[in-house]
Amino acid sequence: QVQLVQSGAEVKKPGASVKVSCKASGYTFTGYYMHWVRQAPGQGLEWMGRINPNSGGTNYAQKFQGRVTMTRDTSISTAYMELSSLRSDDTAVYYCARLGGSRDYWGQGTLVTVSS
Amino acid sequence: EIVLTQSPGTLSLSPGERATLSCRASQSVSSNYLAWYQQKPGQAPRLLIYGASSRATGIPDRFSGSGSGTDFTLTISRLEPEDFAVYYCQQYGSSSYTFGQGTKLEIK
Repeated sequence: QVQLVQSGAEVKKPGASVKVSCKASGYTFTGYYMHWVRQAPGQGLEWMGRINPNSGGTNYAQKFQGRVTMTRDTSISTAYMELSSLRSDDTAVYYCARLGGSRDYWGQGTLVTVSS
Repeated sequence: EIVLTQSPGTLSLSPGERATLSCRASQSVSSNYLAWYQQKPGQAPRLLIYGASSRATGIPDRFSGSGSGTDFTLTISRLEPEDFAVYYCQQYGSSSYTFGQGTKLEIK
């Protein structure tokens, strides 16, 4: 069965960077885009971007251009999302997700807290 | 970037009633690449509808989607207790996806 398992919670100081991992299993990793979506406490869903694990090509939401980097390691079926220059309003749960078609799959979410 | 506006912000209904949720796009959504998600507290979102009107795998037929272009609707024909949650529309007609701000469906 398809599973997306994310890395654990992080606490970061303003100005730092965070890198969240998402390990995929149960399907061909290079066959599907991996998306990243975040949700601030009590707020809605925000699409951050996606990566094509086959080519490494990325599409980022305009809001995060220049601050987000999505990468992958096909040898271990893992996608990464790195967000830099963290601010307090980056505090959120970050999800990786395989979207598209008649079924989608989501990771369990990673809470990133930005606090001085 | 396509902006999605959902209405109402909150919808108060009773079990057994019909729910109608709206999603309006700032420009036409290509090929009706519009999806609806349900999210309950502490859980990841769950896909309900894709392609504006196709039910996702395992979704009960009381959920239906309609619309095209810039105006889309999610209808829940008869509300069950487990349907009270937050609902989001999402467009994926371009290489940049966006979500609406959500509609909270609460028990009256």
